[in-house]
Amino acid sequence: NAGVMQNPRHLVRRRGQEARLRCSPMKGHSHVYWYRQLPEEGLKFMVYLQKENIIDESGMPKERFSAEFPKEGPSILRIQQVVRGDSAAYFCASSPLSNTGELFFGEGSRLTVL
Amino acid sequence: AQSVTQPDIHITVSEGASLELRCNYSYGATPYLFWYVQSPGQGLQLLLKYFSGDTLVQGIKGFEAEFKRSQSSFNLRKPSVHWSDAAEYFCAVDTSSNTGKLIFGQGTTLQVKP
Repeated sequence: NAGVMQNPRHLVRRRGQEARLRCSPMKGHSHVYWYRQLPEEGLKFMVYLQKENIIDESGMPKERFSAEFPKEGPSILRIQQVVRGDSAAYFCASSPLSNTGELFFGEGSRLTVL
Repeated sequence: AQSVTQPDIHITVSEGASLELRCNYSYGATPYLFWYVQSPGQGLQLLLKYFSGDTLVQGIKGFEAEFKRSQSSFNLRKPSVHWSDAAEYFCAVDTSSNTGKLIFGQGTTLQVKP
């Protein structure tokens, strides 16, 4: 059973470009979470999605950031017009339908904004 | 506001020595509590969790943690550290009824001396 798959693992963008980060949850998992880890900090919750629904986006910046988890395909975190402060590791996690409270994390996507 | 504090940013112990990593949380009720470990360049792996019941919980890799309500603490312990335990350790709480929306501490980096 493959784990949570994130791609790309590393992404370099120039200021003003768009970044798209993808996450395929573990098989059978219908809950997806995105967290951001800034340098020297712990992870910060961004958004919680189920298929075709955003359940909680209280941690998402109000502008430039969006997330989706379509009926088919991976979850996508999209950052428009990136700025240097967006440089971070973005982690996706998933959990099964019968939520045990345990999150299964991917290896992260590391975004560098030049 | 809910918060998690890990007072020690870096800890160095000798291989074979005992280990205790501290974690304190701020929350009115009893939260769901977790310890995760992150190896360099990797995602997070769950070590153990506490929901209710016995306040001493056993996890993987020989780790255990004790929930102390009076101290709002959930310290992680291991009787004998191995070199492979060198990593970053994160304490986290879920205050929203086990939904996976976690609040993480800043992390403690463990170095193991031979």
